[in-house]
Amino acid sequence: KAGVTQTPRYLIKTRGQQVTLSCSPISGHRSVSWYQQTPGQGLQFLFEYFSETQRNKGNFPGRFSGRQFSNSRSEMNVSTLELGDSALYLCASSLAWEYGELFFGEGSRLTVL
Amino acid sequence: QQQVKQSPQSLIVQKGGIPIINCAYENTAFDYFPWYQQFPGKGPALLIAIRPDVSEKKEGRFTISFNKSAKQFSLHIMDSQPGDSATYFCAARAGETSGSRLTFGEGTQLTVNP
Repeated sequence: KAGVTQTPRYLIKTRGQQVTLSCSPISGHRSVSWYQQTPGQGLQFLFEYFSETQRNKGNFPGRFSGRQFSNSRSEMNVSTLELGDSALYLCASSLAWEYGELFFGEGSRLTVL
Repeated sequence: QQQVKQSPQSLIVQKGGIPIINCAYENTAFDYFPWYQQFPGKGPALLIAIRPDVSEKKEGRFTISFNKSAKQFSLHIMDSQPGDSATYFCAARAGETSGSRLTFGEGTQLTVNP
């Protein structure tokens, strides 16, 4: 069974640009969540989607948004990038939204210059 | 109150030793406590998890001890191996309505020397 797939794995952007990251969950998993990982703040929850609906949202500004498609694939978007947005963005999938067992992808490493 | 405090920040042991990583929390609504292992360049991988109605859980060489009254839980790695060298994160979830929203500890970088 294929794991969680994230694309792109690495990307470099400049301040003010926007970025879209993609995530394909494990087959059969309907819940997708996103986390930001930085050396200073650790792992922080961004948001979670289940059946194309946002179920939970973390404490991030509105520049961070996401969506989920009918096939459970998800995208997250960050607009007006800031230097502090440089991070590893991790996608995790779960069988259902009330399950805590998460399976993480390898992440998308974003560098903002 | 949503925080999970993890210690130590880093830990070095010899092969065969038993590293112990501790976590403490305040939020009594937390009902699920997983541990994740992360290797460089990889995403976190679920190691083992426990719920508050159990005081200990073992899976292979990994054991979680849980003290509900003290609001603390810890990970023990028996017979540690160099391949266990990684960063370990404890986490907690505040009920089923939190879904996949986990609160993570700061992480512990474990080094197991041969």
